[in-house]
Amino acid sequence: DTGVSQDPRHKITKRGQNVTFRCDPISEHNRLYWYRQTLGQGPEFLTYFQNEAQLEKSRLLSDRFSAERPKGSFSTLEIQRTEQGDSAMYLCASRQGARSTEAFFGQGTRLTVV
Amino acid sequence: DQQVKQNSPSLSVQEGRISILNCDYTNSMFDYFLWYKKYPAEGPTFLISISSIKDKNEDGRFTVFLNKSAKHLSLHIVPSQPGDSAVYFCAASGSNFGNEKLTFGTGTRLTIIP
Repeated sequence: DTGVSQDPRHKITKRGQNVTFRCDPISEHNRLYWYRQTLGQGPEFLTYFQNEAQLEKSRLLSDRFSAERPKGSFSTLEIQRTEQGDSAMYLCASRQGARSTEAFFGQGTRLTVV
Repeated sequence: DQQVKQNSPSLSVQEGRISILNCDYTNSMFDYFLWYKKYPAEGPTFLISISSIKDKNEDGRFTVFLNKSAKHLSLHIVPSQPGDSAVYFCAASGSNFGNEKLTFGTGTRLTIIP
């Protein structure tokens, strides 16, 4: 296992299209997070899964966004009807649980909406 | 509101000298603090962390100091090396928050001058 994997690395889409990103966490990690990073800012929390349960969603996550983690393994983040303001780096992170607080990040998916 | 603040957007340090990156926080419920390093087009990489029960943690060339009364932490890198040039993010989490999501600062771009 080489760490958190995200796919695709880059995505260019036209405004109004739907996009889906995938995250494969470190295999033994039961906690999975999605963050978004825009230029000049630090990553901002979007949503959190513990196993397959989505336990929290940020107010940043509008109803055009949906995330899933079927079977508590990989996760997907879908953005419907993309807008130019959705252009950002989308980061996935995982951590093992209560004994380990360090979250390990994937390389991110860079979304550009044109 | 920005609960984690990094007031220096950039810092330049001569190779071999000490680099000191600063971070302030406002939420007294934070009890775990982390530093991440980020290269362009990559996800953040965990560097070092500190629990609120400690005031110092050291790992090789990296030392993090925590001053709880001042709600301030700093990262010392000594000696600084060219490979340390990156953006450094301070992050905080709270065990009482349930999901232990990370709240990030806006980052400091460190440039090591050969």
